[in-house]
Amino acid sequence: DAMVIQNPRYQVTQFGKPVTLSCSQTLNHNVMYWYQQKSSQAPKLLFHYYDKDFNNEADTPDNFQSRRPNTSFCFLDIRSPGLGDAAMYLCATSRDRAGARWTDTQYFGPGTRLTVL
Amino acid sequence: DAKTTQPPSMDCAEGRAANLPCNHSTISGNEYVYWYRQIHSQGPQYIIHGLKNNETNEMASLIITEDRKSSTLILPHATLRDTAVYYCIASGYSTLTFGKGTMLLVSP
Repeated sequence: DAMVIQNPRYQVTQFGKPVTLSCSQTLNHNVMYWYQQKSSQAPKLLFHYYDKDFNNEADTPDNFQSRRPNTSFCFLDIRSPGLGDAAMYLCATSRDRAGARWTDTQYFGPGTRLTVL
Repeated sequence: DAKTTQPPSMDCAEGRAANLPCNHSTISGNEYVYWYRQIHSQGPQYIIHGLKNNETNEMASLIITEDRKSSTLILPHATLRDTAVYYCIASGYSTLTFGKGTMLLVSP
């Protein structure tokens, strides 16, 4: 019954060691999003894919990259994790983009909690 | 996205209605009001959204004022499992900008 799956749920990495978080979806949705949520803060959008079209938020650090090899999967790569990158990383999907006359809801996965040592 | 203002926390007794207010006085005509909630250590969950009219679904009701400057999310019979952070978002685009939300604590 799982719709947006994130693996692993908990990830520990070392300072500066590249790490990849994965997200898969069974909803066949066109749009996939990555959010970062630090402790006691609201989720913050990093980037999103509309199909294969990548959309980066202006303030997302270059250290964060993403790949979407097919409709079902999306990856978040952190090239050189720093202590400040410790956070919950949330993946979400929506069927399509919102438009002027209609909107679409986002479905979130359970998140991956990243610890940087 | 228009800025939204919510109280940082609210309490509610189990079985009673929880009324969560949201101010969005600068909302523009094409922006919807969305409500999501986030139970501790889980991903956010969509609750409801609306543009002008009041909306109701199996989870909640959304009351939007006629001038659209504020709204209220109503959980008609709150349960302990409704304890969560509730986010009100005004957006006309596919991306959502989460504010600080309201921490709703439902007590026995």
